[in-house]
Amino acid sequence: GDQVKQSPSALSLQEGTNSALRCNFSIATTTVQWFLQNPRGSLMNLFYLVPGTKENGRLKSTFNSKESYSTLHIRDAQLEDSGTYFCAAEGGGYKVVFGSGTRLLVSP
Amino acid sequence: EAAVTQSPRSKVAVTGGKVTLSCHQTNNHDYMYWYRQDTGHGLRLIHYSYVADSTEKGDIPDGYKASRPSQENFSLILELASLSQTAVYFCASSLRDSSYEQYFGPGTRLTVL
Repeated sequence: GDQVKQSPSALSLQEGTNSALRCNFSIATTTVQWFLQNPRGSLMNLFYLVPGTKENGRLKSTFNSKESYSTLHIRDAQLEDSGTYFCAAEGGGYKVVFGSGTRLLVSP
Repeated sequence: EAAVTQSPRSKVAVTGGKVTLSCHQTNNHDYMYWYRQDTGHGLRLIHYSYVADSTEKGDIPDGYKASRPSQENFSLILELASLSQTAVYFCASSLRDSSYEQYFGPGTRLTVL
């Protein structure tokens, strides 16, 4: 089964609304990274997390290692937030496992 | 000031041909990685390296070789390219092991015909 399961797989939002993306881990996870892959294909680092919460502008992410999940909250969604969001779980050594992504489309 | 660069950015290769993808980082990072991304999916690790002149197998190494001639440079080699290797390839670096934040290059789109 999926070691890193992302949900939802796709999401449509209207500008100005809020939403949350989630990753559930079935592997022991020490750190989590969140990326946004823009329509041109580039991967942008959003967050690097040990257990806890980080916030950056309209984005906020939490990593709960005891319950094996991480969330990414988007507040006041903008058109430029569109793209595919990936979480990646690190569990020791070289092992980084990516989720399959959440495709987000923000519409006017 | 891009810290991880890749070349070429796109390539069309013929089945059975040799392909070399190059990655260069100026982060002074020890670890470098090669991933592939198939359409609509996440990234999967092919090879990684933690020191020059040494490479390690990742999760999907079959059909790929890697070379780390220096701390800054990491190459991915397809000796006999196949149709199934059509994908986007990403290089990344991290300061130490994967518990450190990874920084990605812009990707190379490889099409094998």
